[in-house]
Amino acid sequence: TQLLEQSPQFLSIQEGENLTVYCNSSSVFSSLQWYRQEPGEGPVLLVTVVTGGEVKKLKRLTFQFGDARKDSSLHITAAQPGDTGLYLCAEPSNTDKLIFGTGTRLQVFP
Amino acid sequence: DTAVSQTPKYLVTQMGNDKSIKCEQNLGHDTMYWYKQDSKKFLKIMFSYNNKELIINETVPNRFSPKSPDKAHLNLHINSLELGDSAVYFCASSQVTGGVGDEQFFGPGTRLTVL
Repeated sequence: TQLLEQSPQFLSIQEGENLTVYCNSSSVFSSLQWYRQEPGEGPVLLVTVVTGGEVKKLKRLTFQFGDARKDSSLHITAAQPGDTGLYLCAEPSNTDKLIFGTGTRLQVFP
Repeated sequence: DTAVSQTPKYLVTQMGNDKSIKCEQNLGHDTMYWYKQDSKKFLKIMFSYNNKELIINETVPNRFSPKSPDKAHLNLHINSLELGDSAVYFCASSQVTGGVGDEQFFGPGTRLTVL
């Protein structure tokens, strides 16, 4: 079974700082999704990346898919307290289940 | 309108009891899932149903029995609850298109605590 390792596991920063979260695998991803889960809620899809080298932007969030499709990163510019949450990468399998990464818990302090 | 809803939100029960969690989606999706999130926030698939048929059973103990009365509902019944069943259980749904990375929509979760 594919194992998706995320780093860092925990991240506490001040409002206005930049940060990057990573998702790595030993195998090639077919595609990759990033979800954000806020406390007490279910995960919500942020983006899907498909092509190696692809870059997608969602306001202050920039998602990058590695050229070899074995890693991905999420960069947040000028973090805000509303960005606080658990960030999960996930690979959709051929049976449509999601294989989730180990998660990065982000806390942004005002 | 809530897209994917679960009841109850919290469930506290004694070891050995039997309990059920209900899930409903009003998105018209054909596929529904149950995921388990442990205390370390690791989220793992348990089951998936497509049009009321079981598609995925990820080596979950047979004390867990999902039931899908129609494609908008997927319930989870758990027999003989054990301490290790304590977790947050998420229901999700998606419309499988055969394309890449269909979005899954998650419910708010049911926090199960077994004492």
